[in-house]
Amino acid sequence: DTAVSQTPKYLVTQMGNDKSIKCEQNLGHDTMYWYKQDSKKFLKIMFSYNNKELIINETVPNRFSPKSPDKAHLNLHINSLELGDSAVYFCASSQDLRGPATPNYGYTFGSGTRLTVV
Amino acid sequence: QQQVKQSPQSLIVQKGGISIINCAYENTAFDYFPWYQQFPGKGPALLIAIRPDVSEKKEGRFTISFNKSAKQFSLHIMDSQPGDSATYFCAASAIGQAGTALIFGKGTTLSVSS
Repeated sequence: DTAVSQTPKYLVTQMGNDKSIKCEQNLGHDTMYWYKQDSKKFLKIMFSYNNKELIINETVPNRFSPKSPDKAHLNLHINSLELGDSAVYFCASSQDLRGPATPNYGYTFGSGTRLTVV
Repeated sequence: QQQVKQSPQSLIVQKGGISIINCAYENTAFDYFPWYQQFPGKGPALLIAIRPDVSEKKEGRFTISFNKSAKQFSLHIMDSQPGDSATYFCAASAIGQAGTALIFGKGTTLSVSS
């Protein structure tokens, strides 16, 4: 079973469209994240949710709206897509930040969604 | 203050050689320093991590060296193999501090030639 799974893997869409990316984790983690990886491979945090509560919202356009129906799922909806939104979007999860860090603490990433806006 | 600076941007090493990647940080609240490995088309995968209470951690061929006073840490890959060719990211965060997440360096593309 895949620990953090994202769908779809590839997404090609026209400017102005609205699209969603779904993420699910089966690790029992309490915290989930969305990262954006640009063409130069730079990974930048976008959002973080802890037990369905938004705890990080970096300076991301409000066209991006995350939704967490439960602690195992974190979806990303993007309105009015622009060319500059083209990137690889990664979902990740980790154990509760407020708990002690165990020796195997770490973020588990999904395999990414490559979004291409044309 | 939130940046993690990584160097070099790219690295070519011969098979059997030692690969060394360096990172520096500014935020003294950071207390968790992992390294991630990413292959093309895949997500980053945790390779090895260190907390600031130790100066070195070794797992197989991979070693993290940590210098708290200099605010620097590095990854050493001993006996580098062609299968190690990937992009490596250092990262840092303040575990337990609400509203924080891993901050990544810009990555190092490692090529190990056979």
